[in-house]
Amino acid sequence: DVKVTQSSRYLVKRTGEKVFLECVQDMDHENMFWYRQDPGLGLRLIYFSYDVKMKEKGDIPEGYSVSREKKERFSLILESASTNQTSMYLCASSLAGGPQETQYFGPGTRLLVL
Amino acid sequence: QKEVEQNSGPLSVPEGAIASLNCTYSDRGSQSFFWYRQYSGKSPELIMSIYSNGDKEDGRFTAQLNKASQYVSLLIRDSQPSDSATYLCAVARRVQKLVFGTGTRLLVSP
Repeated sequence: DVKVTQSSRYLVKRTGEKVFLECVQDMDHENMFWYRQDPGLGLRLIYFSYDVKMKEKGDIPEGYSVSREKKERFSLILESASTNQTSMYLCASSLAGGPQETQYFGPGTRLLVL
Repeated sequence: QKEVEQNSGPLSVPEGAIASLNCTYSDRGSQSFFWYRQYSGKSPELIMSIYSNGDKEDGRFTAQLNKASQYVSLLIRDSQPSDSATYLCAVARRVQKLVFGTGTRLLVSP
């Protein structure tokens, strides 16, 4: 059974703070993803990683960075949080087989930036 | 034009009826198509995936794909109140970069 966990369910930060969101998967998946979900905009891909230390920009990478030092862990970093980064952040993972592979999602982190 | 479009709803159906959810996509190079269900406050969970034209059935769910017309649909037979959720259509091209629609909210009334 695939399990994707995220470090926090709810997080409140102040503008300008550095924020770390952690994601861990226990299924030895090669691919990991970070999305944000906003009302009316749906899920949008921020960054993804297909291997340790590898990363690629998604559709909305501005203001974010990522780190993948170990296969099971993928971190999303907000270098200087802003109010427009208030959102639900979802991590996902999948096998490396191709576009037919299912992405499994973590429970999400609801971030509020004041 | 959005890459993946869905009617936001809500789509209201009585218990026991068939719910029909539709999705259109713009990129003809799309290869894989997914339906996720998302309950309020929860994360998306996969319901169905489909890769070739035609129908794919799994229990009460049937996914339909028509690549020529660039649409994919999800039918839910014998709808139950527990099916009330937002259904997200997602499309992938050659690599696993999923593009999601904004979702259709389904309400099944007892």
